[in-house]
Order: sequence, then structure tokens, then C-alpha cells
Amino acid sequence: DAGVIQSPRHEVTEMGQEVTLRCKPISGHNSLFWYRQTMMRGLELLIYFNNNVPIDDSGMPEDRFSAKMPNASFSTLKIQPSEPRDSAVYFCASRPGQGYENTEAFFGQGTRLTVV
Amino acid sequence: AQKVTQAQTEISVVEKEDVTLDCVYETRDTTYYLFWYKQPPSGELVFLIRRNSFDEQNEISGRYSWNFQKSTSSFNFTITASQVVDSAVYFCALMTYNTDKLIFGTGTRLQVFP
Repeated sequence: DAGVIQSPRHEVTEMGQEVTLRCKPISGHNSLFWYRQTMMRGLELLIYFNNNVPIDDSGMPEDRFSAKMPNASFSTLKIQPSEPRDSAVYFCASRPGQGYENTEAFFGQGTRLTVV
Repeated sequence: AQKVTQAQTEISVVEKEDVTLDCVYETRDTTYYLFWYKQPPSGELVFLIRRNSFDEQNEISGRYSWNFQKSTSSFNFTITASQVVDSAVYFCALMTYNTDKLIFGTGTRLQVFP
């Protein structure tokens, strides 16, 4: 299995532009997470999907951020408009499902976003 | 609410020293899971171990060992005879059965010098 695939790996954009980050979870995994990592705040959970349905988006910082999961094999995290303080590494992770044997989350390589 | 505290921001040791990374967690749930992840300089997050709240048995895997104590809400990680390749940021994480969210501590940066 190829693991969780994120694209792009690096993104540099100008303030005010729309940014879309993409994630392909591991096939057969039912849960998907988006995290943001910064030096100041560490790893923050932004949103969590289960069976393509957003379960908890309380970590989404503001309305400029939105996430979708149109099907089991694809998710996007969109920032519109982007701001310099959005600069961070964004990780996507997937998990087989619920229950003890399914709690291990597998992470993608991350997308390093720089907003100038 | 659930919370993970890793009080040690950065630890530096010399190769072959033993080092313990502390993790203290908070939750009101009785069913929960604890994790350790490693983030090497390359940036990816690598799963190391998972424990559930009903299993306080300590675990050893090679040079790695984990001490889970519910009485002190701690899940500490010890590396024996550290090596340069152990240099990384280590994250402790908590997931409760009710919330199903994986929450991370702020991480401990370990530097092992030759």
C-alpha cells in the first residue's frame, strides 16, 4: 500500500490567494484527520471525518478554512483567502475505523505551506 | 476535556545514555488510548506504540520501553543506550473512546550527540 498521499508537498502562495491541499487516504480506511503543525502551537487537529462525514470541525481556525471529503478516497482542505499566519505544515492522517485494533493513525508526508 | 502535557521541550544526551521522555495526560473518560509517535528530521510522523486504558502492562521493544501508570496519569517513554538516529521530536497522544479524536502533546525534541 502506498500509504497516505498528500499533494502538493510544498506550496508557496501570495497572501489573499486560495490554497487547496489534497489527501488520498489508505484504501479501506474509514476515518480521516487534518492536522496543522506550527512551532508555536504544535500539532493541532483541524477536522475529523468518519465515513466521509465531518464529525468534528471544532479545530478549524476560522471561516477561511473549509474541508471536504466527497468520497472515501479523497479529501481537500481549502484556505480562502490565505494569510501569512496560515504558514505551517499540514498533515493528513487516516485510520481503519473505530475500536482498539483500528486506532492507529497513519500520516501522510505533509504539505508545507508558505504564505508570503 | 482531554489534554496531553509533555513538559520537556528539548533534551540533549550523548550517545549510549538512557533517556526518558515524560507524558502526562488528562481525561475523564475511562476508556482511552495512548500513543507515542516519532517525527524525525525528514518530517513524517511514525507510529511507535499504542496502549489502551485497561492494559497497564509495561512494554519493551528493543531499546524502547514504555511505562504506563494510571495512578499518575503518565505514559513515559524510555530509550536505552540512545543512538544518533534516535534524534527526533517525540509526540505523546491521547484518544478517548467517546471523542474518537487523536490529541497530541507539544512534543519533546531529543538530540543525541555522538
